[in-house]
Amino acid sequence: GENVEQHPSTLSVQEGDSAVIKCTYSDSASNYFPWYKQELGKRPQLIIDIRSNVGEKKDQRIAVTLNKTAKHFSLHITETQPEDSAVYFCAASHNFNKFYFGSGTKLNVKP
Amino acid sequence: GAVVSQHPSWVICKSGTSVKIECRSLDFQATTMFWYRQFPKQSLMLMATSNEGSKATYEQGVEKDKFLINHASLTLSTLTVTSAHPEDSSFYICSASDPGYAGYTFGSGTRLTVV
Repeated sequence: GENVEQHPSTLSVQEGDSAVIKCTYSDSASNYFPWYKQELGKRPQLIIDIRSNVGEKKDQRIAVTLNKTAKHFSLHITETQPEDSAVYFCAASHNFNKFYFGSGTKLNVKP
Repeated sequence: GAVVSQHPSWVICKSGTSVKIECRSLDFQATTMFWYRQFPKQSLMLMATSNEGSKATYEQGVEKDKFLINHASLTLSTLTVTSAHPEDSSFYICSASDPGYAGYTFGSGTRLTVV
């Protein structure tokens, strides 16, 4: 099955700085890679996603890059704000079937 | 967008009793729903795939006799934790995919505490 690894497990940045979270996956058949933000005790919320036919996608301060050859994808958050503080999960899926999640990154944005 | 409703949001039960958690797709039909478990400060672990009208598919290491899944209609899947024990205490969350919306929608989750 698919194995998704995520790094780092914790990330602390100063407000206004950029944050980068990286994930690798093992199954070359995976073709959909979403990123979720989860606040304590709440459901994961989709913040951005990318499909395997695209190398990069951007939505305001958030961007995701995908390297299919290397089987890794990354989340980039620019101009971080305190409200960006949360746990972020990457995931990999084949045709929106089962989602396999990374271990999560706790992002702390210091004001 | 697609909405998935999950109930209850939290439940406390005694050891040895069973607890049922419901997951409903409110504005779409979900032939497939997924059940995840999340321990504190850990990731979401897929437990099983719930298929409407057929048996659920369980991930390796998940006891099918302990975690009973029923998907009797296109809008409802239930997870029953049977003979619950304190180690079953966790955050259980369902998700479903709306064919008209490319992506997953998660339920609000259920915090189960077994005492």
